[in-house]
Amino acid sequence: GAVVSQHPSRVICKSGTSVKIECRSLDFQATTMFWYRQFPKQSLMLMATSNEGSKATYEQGVEKDKFLINHASLTLSTLTVTSAHPEDSSFYICSHSRDGQFFGPGTRLTVL
Amino acid sequence: KQEVTQIPAALSVPEGENLVLNCSFTDSAIYNLQWFRQDPGKGLTSLLLIQSSQREQTSGRLNASLDKSSGRSTLYIAASQPGDSATYLCAVIVGQGGKLIFGQGTELSVKP
Repeated sequence: GAVVSQHPSRVICKSGTSVKIECRSLDFQATTMFWYRQFPKQSLMLMATSNEGSKATYEQGVEKDKFLINHASLTLSTLTVTSAHPEDSSFYICSHSRDGQFFGPGTRLTVL
Repeated sequence: KQEVTQIPAALSVPEGENLVLNCSFTDSAIYNLQWFRQDPGKGLTSLLLIQSSQREQTSGRLNASLDKSSGRSTLYIAASQPGDSATYLCAVIVGQGGKLIFGQGTELSVKP
């Protein structure tokens, strides 16, 4: 299957700071990547679809100015959580689609 | 609006038992359906992908079926092992773009 990496795997930050999460497709040029969020004991919810060279498509209820997505190359998409607050603490996972979906290992964000 | 439901939410079985996990979806117009496994604090591992034109897929001790007309899929695990303990997620793929809608998951515990 396809290989997707994420960095960092875990981050703790203070409230009000911004955090950038990287998602890399290691063996596939992905024109589209997806960002999901998972709160404890809950399932994954799609946040946005990241499109290479164009604007991301956000799901209803997801603030595009708070969750900035950049997909500048076919192998890298970044998610920046701006002015993070404790309620943004969650598990963020990216994926791309290639004969099914392949997910990164996830990033655990804790906002103090 | 597509909704995915998984039953049961949690399941505990003794080692060696065969078991079935259920997934239902409200809109039969799906592109594909995919089953994943998630270990605590980890990302998702793809188990089986069923194309919308297929009825089932098998991999080792796992067998997944799909009945689009009734909006149901099942994941059958044969001869369960303690290492099978994890959360199992069902997701439908909406459209060729690869967008996933997840169920809430079934938390499986296999006791030695």
